[in-house]
Formats: sequence, structure tokens, C-alpha cells
Amino acid sequence: GAVVSQHPSWVICKSGTSVKIECRSLDFQATTMFWYRQFPKQSLMLMATSNEGSKATYEQGVEKDKFLINHASLTLSTLTVTSAHPEDSSFYICSAHRGEDEKLFFGSGTQLSVL
Amino acid sequence: KQEVTQIPAALSVPEGENLVLNCSFTDSAIYNLQWFRQDPGKGLTSLLLIQSSQREQTSGRLNASLDKSSGRSTLYIAASQPGDSATYLCAVPAAGGYQKVTFGTGTKLQVIP
Repeated sequence: GAVVSQHPSWVICKSGTSVKIECRSLDFQATTMFWYRQFPKQSLMLMATSNEGSKATYEQGVEKDKFLINHASLTLSTLTVTSAHPEDSSFYICSAHRGEDEKLFFGSGTQLSVL
Repeated sequence: KQEVTQIPAALSVPEGENLVLNCSFTDSAIYNLQWFRQDPGKGLTSLLLIQSSQREQTSGRLNASLDKSSGRSTLYIAASQPGDSATYLCAVPAAGGYQKVTFGTGTKLQVIP
């Protein structure tokens, strides 16, 4: 089956530093990828839609200067949390949309802890 | 605004039982509906996808149905196993496509050996 690889699985960083999370579709091209945030015991909240070769579309309330998204190729999107603060600590998940059958495939998630 | 509700929020059953998970949505203008499972601290694994024109999909011990007119989908799990223990989520993209996906609140399933 289709695989989406997300890296790293977990990261601990100091407040004020930046963290980059990668999302790769391994066996299909994804013109559209999505970034979600999940708080404990809650469902997923869409942060932004990443389109290959163009600027990301952010959901209301999501700071685009804080959460930088780059989708430079059809198989890779990155999310950079800039100047991270403890309130940014969360579980971040990416997904890729496979156009041929309209399915969404998800990465394994990244647990970010900001000290 | 689409709202997706899953009932029950949690379910505990003995191994071998058949069970049904429910997903309700308020806006019937959907693109399709997809069921996922999520293991603790992990991403989501796709289980079944039902197109808006379909009424059900089957994969192994799983069967998902869709009734757009009533705004409901069910996920039937036959002969449950401890390995089925996970949180199950339904996801509904809006009619325009995957730009707006609404996830259900999830059902946490525990299958007791």
C-alpha cells in the first residue's frame, strides 16, 4: 500500500529554536499534502494545505510566519516550526492525497516537545 | 459548517464479538467518506473509503456503509481481535474535495482477550 514517511518521530527542543518536520510520499506523487495538529485526546485540526510549487494555504488562526511550509517537489513537504515555544508542543501529522483513488495517506506523526 | 460525530466515544468488548461503530455528519454534500484507525502516538492508517455514490465497502473483517441522505456511516468489525484495539476515526471531505476534511471525534476501541 501507499506509504507516507514522516520524520522525525519525536523531537525535543529548547524554546526559541526552530524545528523542521519532513513528509514524503514514497510511492506516489502528491500534488497536495496537508498538515494537521493533534492535541491529546482530541481529533485532528487542519493547519494548512501544501500545494507543490505554490504557497501553502493556512487555516484561520494559524500563523503562517510561525509554521513555514514548503512543498518543493511532488513527494516532499516540510513544516518548520520557527521560534518554538512550549505552547507549540503537540503531535503534528502530515497527509498526502493520492489523486488516482482519492485516498488520504498519513504519516506516522511527530511528537514535538518544547522545553 | 460540517460537523462529524462518532458514537460511542469508547467501547470495550470481549474478543470474538462483532461490533458497530457509528459516524454521523450534518452536511450530506460530501465527496466521500474514509475510515481510519490510529494507534497511540501514531499516525492514521486508512481502512476503507466509500465514494459518495457507493453504499458500502468491504475489506476482510471490515465493512463500512454509507447513507448520505441520513448523514450516517457505520463501520462493522467482525470477530474482533485484541489487535483491533485502537481509536477509529471517520473523515469527510467536503463536496469540493480534500481541501476541507472534517474528522470525527473518534471511537476508542478496546478488545479484551
